[in-house]
Amino acid sequence: DTAVSQTPKYLVTQMGNDKSIKCEQNLGHDTMYWYKQDSKKFLKIMFSYNNKELIINETVPNRFSPKSPDKAHLNLHINSLELGDSAVYFCASSQDMSPGFNTEAFFGQGTRLTVV
Amino acid sequence: KQEVTQIPAALSVPEGENLVLNCSFTDSAIYNLQWFRQDPGKGLTSLLLIQSSQREQTSGRLNASLDKSSGRSTLYIAASQPGDSATYLCAVEDADYKLSFGAGTTVTVRA
Repeated sequence: DTAVSQTPKYLVTQMGNDKSIKCEQNLGHDTMYWYKQDSKKFLKIMFSYNNKELIINETVPNRFSPKSPDKAHLNLHINSLELGDSAVYFCASSQDMSPGFNTEAFFGQGTRLTVV
Repeated sequence: KQEVTQIPAALSVPEGENLVLNCSFTDSAIYNLQWFRQDPGKGLTSLLLIQSSQREQTSGRLNASLDKSSGRSTLYIAASQPGDSATYLCAVEDADYKLSFGAGTTVTVRA
């Protein structure tokens, strides 16, 4: 069983479209994250949710909106896609994010988004 | 702002040789440090996590050390195998719960 799973694995779409990437974890973790890996391979955090509550919201355009229907899911919705949004997006989870808890992060396989 | 640097960017060794991967970070006020492996087209696999109070962690052929005061961590892989070929990423978690990643070291182990 995949611990953190993302769908789709590949996504090719035209500029201006709206798309969603889904993420699910079956580890029973309380915290989930979205990271973006750019062309230079740097991974940068975008959002994190703890118990369905938004905790981290980095400087990300308003076109990006995370949605957490429950603790096991954190979906990423992107409106009005732009060429610069092309990247690999990774979902991750950890048991918790508080000091004293296990914050080891487990990552999904990534979603390669190409905007044309 | 935390900056994480990994040196070298790429490394090619013959099978059986030991690997030494370096990671440095600018802000020593970290909660923990984690080493990941990334295979082409795949996600990240957690290898080792070192809490800020620890000096090292070991798992099989892997050993990671942490010197928080100097802002450095080293990942050692003993007796490398072709299957160890991948990109290795170092990440530090700050007190604000964010993971900051280095750009990675791409390792090629030649059979």
